[in-house]
Amino acid sequence: DAKTTQPTSMDCAEGRAANLPCNHSTISGNEYVYWYRQIHSQGPQYIIHGLKNNETNEMASLIITEDRKSSTLILPHATLRDTAVYYCIVRPAGTTDSWGKFQFGAGTQVVVTP
Amino acid sequence: DAGVTQSPTHLIKTRGQQVTLRCSPKSGHDTVSWYQQALGQGPQFIFQYYEEEERQRGNFPDRFSGHQFPNYSSELNVNALLLGDSALYLCASSLGRLNQPQHFGDGTRLSIL
Repeated sequence: DAKTTQPTSMDCAEGRAANLPCNHSTISGNEYVYWYRQIHSQGPQYIIHGLKNNETNEMASLIITEDRKSSTLILPHATLRDTAVYYCIVRPAGTTDSWGKFQFGAGTQVVVTP
Repeated sequence: DAGVTQSPTHLIKTRGQQVTLRCSPKSGHDTVSWYQQALGQGPQFIFQYYEEEERQRGNFPDRFSGHQFPNYSSELNVNALLLGDSALYLCASSLGRLNQPQHFGDGTRLSIL
């Protein structure tokens, strides 16, 4: 399975954009990149996912490099409530045997400061 | 629209006991996955249920077992509890198709004394 590498921690100023990097150099052609975040004492929250095109939703944007070896999650206007651990996950190849398995790493602790 | 609900929220057991945790999936979802999250670590995949069968399993011993009911709800059972089983147990549901996101509950905090 492809693995991901993320910085351990990041600080971000409230109101500014937060750019969270993720390396996934061994990703396979049919594996998606998913982002989740986990606020203290809550379950992980789905943010966004993509295959190779850039994606945007009401929470964030996902930029995937052309070679798919890395990606960046962008929170356009960080708020204090965005303080959380952010996980970048590469989902195993899309076969019926791999539906379930999200492999979480340690993630990036993002602290948004006033 | 109710999300994923888990019960109980907290539980205290002693070594050697057995425990059952429960999960109701998000409305419209038919697939349930269970994860264990130790303090300070990311969630670790235990197993997944679809159509009332275990479809995939992570690296957990047979003491961990589960069940899915016809209404898609699920139970996680752990026998012969060890101190190391103390963790947050998370349930996630999804629609059983490829590349659909999983939606998580807030978990059951299990403490073993």
